[in-house]
Amino acid sequence: EADIYQTPRYLVIGTGKKITLECSQTMGHDKMYWYQQDPGMELHLIHYSYGVNSTEKGDLSSESTVSRIRTEHFPLTLESARPSHTSQYLCASRRGGSYEQYFGPGTRLTVT
Amino acid sequence: ELKVEQNPLFLSMQEGKNYTIYCNYSTTSDRLYWYRQDPGKSLESLFVLLSNGAVKQEGRLMASLDTKARLSTLHITAAVHDLSATYFCAVSFGNEKLTFGTGTRLTIIP
Repeated sequence: EADIYQTPRYLVIGTGKKITLECSQTMGHDKMYWYQQDPGMELHLIHYSYGVNSTEKGDLSSESTVSRIRTEHFPLTLESARPSHTSQYLCASRRGGSYEQYFGPGTRLTVT
Repeated sequence: ELKVEQNPLFLSMQEGKNYTIYCNYSTTSDRLYWYRQDPGKSLESLFVLLSNGAVKQEGRLMASLDTKARLSTLHITAAVHDLSATYFCAVSFGNEKLTFGTGTRLTIIP
């Protein structure tokens, strides 16, 4: 079983608020990813990191930002939440050289 | 641009029947993944297929890969209710990023 955690699991917040979604893994994986998924739809990669101090934007443009100061931690921040940010956000990690990508439980974000 | 298409998008089938979900992708890929997602939950890894002709089986699910046709199939044998979920395929090439298909929402009817 993968040890990858996300908090909060559910978040309802008003427009304009700043939020940070937390993702951490205890497996020592160097590669970490953030995906956005609307209900019943496919996942879209919005950010990824191949190691500490390495972050890249994914295939889907996002107003969020990420940081990777520690190997185990990959938080995602929205400076000013909008209703269009309402979605599920899934964090994943993978060890370099391995094919398996493990997903966290997700954060379901609702912006009112 | 790598595109991944699944069909069908929705599938309702009776318990005990067999069926196949198809995953087509547009450019050469070196890995293909199948995931399961229950409503409101995260993704569970089912299979990773690495080479042409690869076949993997787990219980009532069997996945295969034809890299020349750029096609993977997920075959369900004698479906049971517990298999109701959304199934995603995903592919990657070189850059290690996954591109996901649209998903197939499978409902097994008793």
